[in-house]
Amino acid sequence: SAVISQKPSRDICQRGTSLTIQCQVDSQVTMMFWYRQQPGQSLTLIATANQGSEATYESGFVIDKFPISRPNLTFSTLTVSNMSPEDSSIYLCSARTPMNTEAFFGQGTRLTVV
Amino acid sequence: AQSVTQLGSHVSVSEGALVLLRCNYSSSVPPYLFWYVQYPNQGLQLLLKYTSAATLVKGINGFEAEFKKSETSFHLTKPSAHMSDAAEYFCALELGGYNKLIFGAGTRLAVHP
Repeated sequence: SAVISQKPSRDICQRGTSLTIQCQVDSQVTMMFWYRQQPGQSLTLIATANQGSEATYESGFVIDKFPISRPNLTFSTLTVSNMSPEDSSIYLCSARTPMNTEAFFGQGTRLTVV
Repeated sequence: AQSVTQLGSHVSVSEGALVLLRCNYSSSVPPYLFWYVQYPNQGLQLLLKYTSAATLVKGINGFEAEFKKSETSFHLTKPSAHMSDAAEYFCALELGGYNKLIFGAGTRLAVHP
């Protein structure tokens, strides 16, 4: 299994600013993902964080708005740029280990934009 | 296109009653299917998974689910609800090899005394 730590757990930010969310896994993982969970809704995949190369974004999400880094096999960051109230969501990091068919999730970052 | 449909955004049961949470999927290839639970202010925890082995899958906390290809369903059941089962439950589909999960809208389970 894998234990995923996300920081910060929550934040309140001013519109127009940016927030970087960190995701640390306690073991090397093959795949890392970032999801968004808007209030009262399900999880939507933002992007797959690729180690050593640019992230792969899903339809409706762009790198300028959600830049992602993954410098090694255990760490990734997601930045929410130029925030607006519509970005208020829970952002979750997820990871897959080489020998597991399941995805593990962090506890999420609850972001409120005012 | 691949999709997951969870029937019933809210389900309420009495403590000790049967829990049935419905999930139907659409996929052009054999999928992997998962049920996750989310407790308030927490991340997602895996309850159980179907990965093309036994069609009846047993998970944690007394939950189980049955994969029915003919009905494209993967409903989650528990014989006797406990107050601690109150949470949001998500059914998810993965296309083998792509590693991306497609989630249903979720079902909020309430358990009352």
